Amino acid sequence: SQKIEQNSEALNIQEGKTATLTCNYTNYSPAYLQWYRQDPGRGPVFLLLIRENEKEKRKERLKVTFDTTLKQSLFHITASQPADSATYLCALGGSARQLTFGSGTQLTVLP
Amino acid sequence: EAGVTQFPSHSVIEKGQTVTLRCDPISGHDNLYWYRRVMGKEIKFLLHFVKESKQDESGMPNNRFLAERTGGTYSTLKVQPAELEDSGVYFCASSHGRWIGYTFGSGTRLTVV
Repeated sequence: SQKIEQNSEALNIQEGKTATLTCNYTNYSPAYLQWYRQDPGRGPVFLLLIRENEKEKRKERLKVTFDTTLKQSLFHITASQPADSATYLCALGGSARQLTFGSGTQLTVLP
Repeated sequence: EAGVTQFPSHSVIEKGQTVTLRCDPISGHDNLYWYRRVMGKEIKFLLHFVKESKQDESGMPNNRFLAERTGGTYSTLKVQPAELEDSGVYFCASSHGRWIGYTFGSGTRLTVV
């Protein structure tokens, strides 16, 4: 069955450093991968989408890579700030429109 | 533009009762999705509408769940009769196209007691 694993449930880093979150998947050939941010009591907020034929996408301080050979995506937040503290979710999509979500990584940026 | 709006934000009902959740998507978004997260689990897909048609309802857990989207605007998700395992947060999302991320609502937290 399809499986998505996001690295450690919780990640703490110091302000100003680069946070790197990992999303690994098995038994899946996604057409695209999305990253979302979720704050407590709120719905997920879309951040970035990367297609299977793309290696890297950037948006301001965010960067996502997608390696379909390794079946892995890396999500980077550079110059992290305490306001970046949240749960980050990766989600895979295929020919059908439904997304398959990982369990999320809770990021805490320490001042 | 207004975001995706869900009503109610919280609902507590007794086992066996009926509950109806409502979702108002972003105006002009043909695609509307329902997802839910039960305690300690990942967010799971329930179904997908394109306008008023059900495109994919493979994630609906059983026939106690009924979703509608009359007129291709707002959508309702009815649970009848509710069971304890239906407790969780129900999210609605809408999108304009395939290569654009989804806009999620804040969710409805359903508690069945």
